[in-house]
Amino acid sequence: AQSVTQPDIHITVSEGASLELRCNYSYGATPYLFWYVQSPGQGLQLLLKYFSGDTLVQGIKGFEAEFKRSQSSFNLRKPSVHWSDAAEYFCAVGAYAAGNKLTFGGGTRVLVKP
Amino acid sequence: EAGVTQFPSHSVIEKGQTVTLRCDPISGHDNLYWYRRVMGKEIKFLLHFVKESKQDESGMPNNRFLAERTGGTYSTLKVQPAELEDSGVYFCASSQAPQGGRTEAFFGQGTRLTVV
Repeated sequence: AQSVTQPDIHITVSEGASLELRCNYSYGATPYLFWYVQSPGQGLQLLLKYFSGDTLVQGIKGFEAEFKRSQSSFNLRKPSVHWSDAAEYFCAVGAYAAGNKLTFGGGTRVLVKP
Repeated sequence: EAGVTQFPSHSVIEKGQTVTLRCDPISGHDNLYWYRRVMGKEIKFLLHFVKESKQDESGMPNNRFLAERTGGTYSTLKVQPAELEDSGVYFCASSQAPQGGRTEAFFGQGTRLTVV
C-alpha cells in the first residue's frame, strides 16, 4: 500500500528565509509525486509534479522539489519565502496502476513571520 | 476556463439528516475523484469515476455514502443519514484521460460539512 509521511506538522519561517518541507513516501514502484498548497479559504492548488526524468522539478510561485529515489523522498524548497506563502502544503503520490488516485501526507502548515 | 466547482461551500446539518454535495468538474475531464479530510487527519480518497462509471469506490466509508455521476458530467455525493464522524472537508478533483499514464488532478475549493 502507498503511504506518504510529512514529518513536520508546523513550520515557522521568517520572510525572506529559505524553506524546505520534507516528504517521504512508500510505494512498490516509482510513483508519480505531487505537491499541493492550500491557502486560507482556497482549494488545493498544484505546485509541481514529478513523473519521470530530471529529478529536480520546478513549479509555480518559485518552488522546486527534488526526487531522491534512494531516500524515497520528494522534498519541497523555496529559496526566499514571501508572506503569501503562509499556507498548508501537501505531498501526494499517485500511480497509473491505481487509477491515478492520490495518497496524501498529513500536511505541513507554514507560518511566515514578518 | 472554469475550474472545478463545488456546492455548497459550507453545510451544517443535524445528525440523521441528509446532505447532498455537488461537484462540477472541468469540462472534458473524464476522471472525477472525491476525497475527504476529517479534522486533524490526512486527505483520504473516497472514489473515482471515469465518465459515468465508478472505477474505484474502495475509499467509501460505508453504505450511508452514495455517489453518482449522471451522464458523465457533474457528480453528487449524498450522505444519508449523516453521523457526527462525517464532519470534514469534502474535495472533488478532476483530470483528463492519462497520456502515457500521466495526468494531474485539479481540485475544487471543497465543501466543509459539519454534522451537529
